[in-house]
Amino acid sequence: EVQLAESGGGLVQPGGSLRLSCGASGFTFSSHNMNWVRQAPGKGLEWVSYIGNRGRDVYYADSVKGRFTISRDNAKNSLYLQMNSLRDEDTAVYYCARDGLQSGYDFDYWGQGTLVTVPP
Amino acid sequence: DIQMTQSPSSLSASVGDRVTITCRASQSISNYLNWYQQKPGKAPKLLIYGASSLQSGVPSRFSGSGSGTDFTFTISSLQFEDFATYYCQQGYSTPLTFGGGTCVEI
Repeated sequence: EVQLAESGGGLVQPGGSLRLSCGASGFTFSSHNMNWVRQAPGKGLEWVSYIGNRGRDVYYADSVKGRFTISRDNAKNSLYLQMNSLRDEDTAVYYCARDGLQSGYDFDYWGQGTLVTVPP
Repeated sequence: DIQMTQSPSSLSASVGDRVTITCRASQSISNYLNWYQQKPGKAPKLLIYGASSLQSGVPSRFSGSGSGTDFTFTISSLQFEDFATYYCQQGYSTPLTFGGGTCVEI
């Protein structure tokens, strides 16, 4: 069974840093591209970042470019998101999502999410 | 960036109703369009990928169609467990973008 489990969320002051992790199991992690998607309270879904299966290709939303860094460790079946210079608008539930490789970029499995709170 | 415009933003329906949601892309995305269902407090769930392909395990009352810029998502006979928010997402190019969502209410 495919499972994704995020951790590392919490309360952080503006300008601070946080590192999210996503542990994967039930599939060959090194074969799948991975993503971070976030959802601000009461709002819609926003894609944050993508990393290719080998970690060479990375993409970011403009809203986080230069502040967030996505990475992965295939030996540990883990995905990471280093978040620096956090702002109140970064407050959201952060989901890791697997690329299903079915239709361009699609998200076929999601974790349960981890909440990041940056007070104004 | 490709903008995804989803409508309506909300709708009220009854069990057994046929429900249709539309999604329009600001430029052609071929058939790289996906649909998700999200229930309160839960992660989204992929229902339809490639505009019309049903994700494994998803009931056949869900369907999708369209290509280019205009897409449609249909629930043929709404069930109680289908009351949720639905999102379209373009998988054509980064930055990947979602529609604003459609809340299907009783």
